[in-house]
Parts: sequence; C-alpha cells; structure tokens
Amino acid sequence: AQKVTQAQTEISVVEKEDVTLDCVYETRDTTYYLFWYKQPPSGELVFLIRRNSFDEQNEISGRYSWNFQKSTSSFNFTITASQVVDSAVYFCALSGLSGTYKYIFGTGTRLKVLA
Amino acid sequence: DGGITQSPKYLFRKEGQNVTLSCEQNLNHDAMYWYRQDPGQGLRLIYYSQIVNDFQKGDIAEGYSVSREKKESFPLTVTSAQKNPTAFYLCASTSRDSAVTNQPQHFGDGTRLSIL
Repeated sequence: AQKVTQAQTEISVVEKEDVTLDCVYETRDTTYYLFWYKQPPSGELVFLIRRNSFDEQNEISGRYSWNFQKSTSSFNFTITASQVVDSAVYFCALSGLSGTYKYIFGTGTRLKVLA
Repeated sequence: DGGITQSPKYLFRKEGQNVTLSCEQNLNHDAMYWYRQDPGQGLRLIYYSQIVNDFQKGDIAEGYSVSREKKESFPLTVTSAQKNPTAFYLCASTSRDSAVTNQPQHFGDGTRLSIL
C-alpha cells in the first residue's frame, strides 16, 4: 500500500526564519514520483516540484530547497528566510504504478509565517 | 491564459437536492480528476477520467456521479445519497502520458459546498 505522512500539522515561524516541512512516504514501487504543492488561502493547489525515484539529487529553487533521501523514505522541503507570503498549507504527494499513478496526498502542513 | 475553471466558487445544497459542480479546462489535457478536501485531511480522489466517455471511481465515489462528454469538461454531481457533502472540491487535469512521464496535475480554484 502507498502512504504519505506529514506529521507536522501546523508550524509557526517568525519572518526570516528557516523552516523545514517533513514528508515520509511508503511504497513498494521501484519507480515512483513525489510532489510538493502549495495551497494558499485562495484554495488552489500550486505545483512546486516533482521528483522521480531515480533522482536523489537535492534541488534548490530560490528560497526553496528539497532533500530527497530514499534510505529514509523522506522528501523534505525547506524554506529559507521565510516570508509572510509563504503562509499556506503545503501538501506532499506520491504517485506510482501500484496506485495506477493516482496521487496519494499527505494530510498537509499549515505554515504560518508571522511578521 | 490556459487553465482550469471551477464554478461556482460557493454552493449551497438543500436536503434531498442534487447539485452539479462545473470543471472546464483549456489545457488540452486528456485526464481529469475530482478531489474532496476536508479540514485537516489531505485530498481524496472521488472520480477520474483518462479519456472522453470513460471514467473510473476513486477512493470515495459513493454519493457522487460524473460525466465526460467533452474533453474540456468534467462535471461532478453531488447526489442526495451523499450524506456529508460539506467540503472543498478541487478539479485537476493532466496530459494523458502522465502515467509514463508523471507530469504534475494542474488544479482549479475549487468549489466550497455547504449544506443549508
């Protein structure tokens, strides 16, 4: 069975602090994909990153960085120098052959960045 | 601009009433999805369609129905059989070959459904 766990329900930080959002996944697939989405208060999900299981290289995009570790089945997301506009709910998702590539979402982490 | 349009943004349902949520996309995507989001929970898949005139049940299809008569449109009907319909509903789409390349799904702005 596939599963995504985001154990942090809500995180509050002060602006300019760094924050890491955790994502742990379970799958028996050897080929799978991991995603992060941002859901601002307006409601739509905004795609942030996709990573396939064969690419463990960490990625940095501006203030965002992602750490993919197959050994611990984790795909963590770090925001450096957080800003108020980063306040949102962040979802991690898993997609693989055993689930016919349907997305399995975690329960989300609500990030509050205080000015 | 290409994208996904969901309407209405807010919807109210009376007891025993069916309501239909609209989802239209102009991204030329083959696959479309409907998700339900409840507070504190992740998104759960209701129905999905990989191609016109074909659709499959997701994890929580009971009390819902869909149709896919056009590539651009994937309306969701919340029937009176759905006893707890209050939720945020999100529509998404992606290209057909996403099963191979796993392109990300694109999402609409959502419809918030409440019971009167």
